[in-house]
Amino acid sequence: NAGVTQTPKFQVLKTGQSMTLQCAQDMNHNSMYWYRQDPGMGLRLIYYSASEGTTDKGEVPNGYNVSRLNKREFSLRLESAAPSQTSVYFCASGDRGETQYFGPGTRLLVL
Amino acid sequence: QKEVEQDPGPLSVPEGAIVSLNCTYSNSAFQYFMWYRQYSRKGPELLMYTYSSGNKEDGRFTAQVDKSSKYISLFIRDSQPSDSATYLCAMYGGLPRTDSWGKLQFGAGTQVVVTP
Repeated sequence: NAGVTQTPKFQVLKTGQSMTLQCAQDMNHNSMYWYRQDPGMGLRLIYYSASEGTTDKGEVPNGYNVSRLNKREFSLRLESAAPSQTSVYFCASGDRGETQYFGPGTRLLVL
Repeated sequence: QKEVEQDPGPLSVPEGAIVSLNCTYSNSAFQYFMWYRQYSRKGPELLMYTYSSGNKEDGRFTAQVDKSSKYISLFIRDSQPSDSATYLCAMYGGLPRTDSWGKLQFGAGTQVVVTP
């Protein structure tokens, strides 16, 4: 089992460009999550999907959109990237709120 | 003020020592308490979780929760250089099918360095 996979691993964008971060899990979990990690801030929830067909905002949703494509895949889209969105992005999945399994992360640099 | 506070460290200990990590929190609704380990440039991995107050032991790791003091701890016995990582506490109080379900609150993480 690959667990949670994320693509790309690293991306550089210019301000105003758009991109989509991809996430897939093979653990048959219903719930999936997108976090960002910034120095001194810990992990902060951007969006989550409790089950296929549903999405909801987390703590820091502004500037992002998500799509739960099917049970396996959950993508995060930046429509117009800003330098403040420079961060490391993690996708996670889990069927119990207290046990979430994380992917390896995507490092995003917005110039 | 953050809901979960964690000293960022770094915490440097010699091999074989006990590592002591802790977090404080302000939300009395939290019921589940987790510790994640994150190696450099990797994703967090779940070490342990505890429900409500009490102790939980798993090999060299012991997690403690004191809900009356809003304080949780992680102890690593016989520390090894391979334990060098950032340790994140996380917690939440969500019930299934409620708005808070799965919304973990993380501490900022404590960097631990175990020197040979």
